[in-house]
Amino acid sequence: EAQVTQNPRYLITVTGKKLTVTCSQNMNHEYMSWYRQDPGLGLRQIYYSMNVEVTDKGDVPEGYKVSRKEKRNFPLILESPSPNQTSLYFCAIRTGAHNEQFFGPGTRLTVL
Amino acid sequence: GNSVTQMEGPVTLSEEAFLTINCTYTATGYPSLFWYVQYPGEGLQLLLKATKADDKGSNKGFEATYRKETTSFHLEKGSVQVSDSAVYFCALRDNYGQNFVFGPGTRLSVLP
Repeated sequence: EAQVTQNPRYLITVTGKKLTVTCSQNMNHEYMSWYRQDPGLGLRQIYYSMNVEVTDKGDVPEGYKVSRKEKRNFPLILESPSPNQTSLYFCAIRTGAHNEQFFGPGTRLTVL
Repeated sequence: GNSVTQMEGPVTLSEEAFLTINCTYTATGYPSLFWYVQYPGEGLQLLLKATKADDKGSNKGFEATYRKETTSFHLEKGSVQVSDSAVYFCALRDNYGQNFVFGPGTRLSVLP
């Protein structure tokens, strides 16, 4: 059974302090992606990766970086977080007969 | 570009009431359509899906039919329960398989 793990689950930080949210999966899926969820806006894709060393911007990539050095991990990096990046973040893989998204448990980030 | 529109709610119903949450989409070609559910404090879970016109997705008493002529994928349930209280997201995946687009979510509260 597919599993997606995110760490940390909750984080409060201050403006400008670099942080990384990790995402790992257990099933060797090629496709991984990051979303942020904000009230009234639904989920918006930040970055996605089709495979190792292959990453692409989603709809809202500004202020974020990602890397995909190995298939199981897809960390989200905020080099200089700002308060407008306060949000709920979800990592997802693509699985199932119709490539539906399978989501991690979420990381709630607050930037003061 | 692709987009998904759904009633934002909140929707408040009494137990055993009939539920409809409207979803319409804009997309080129023949997207796949999904409903996801997010229970309080949890990540998104796939509820049901439909991959071609006139397909009906169903799960846990919920149903939605892919209507290409009206570009809609309305979610229905004949008799809601308190445990159905959650946020529901309509989503599409374009027919190239690269991008998922989510609606803003509809919060449902079911009162006993």
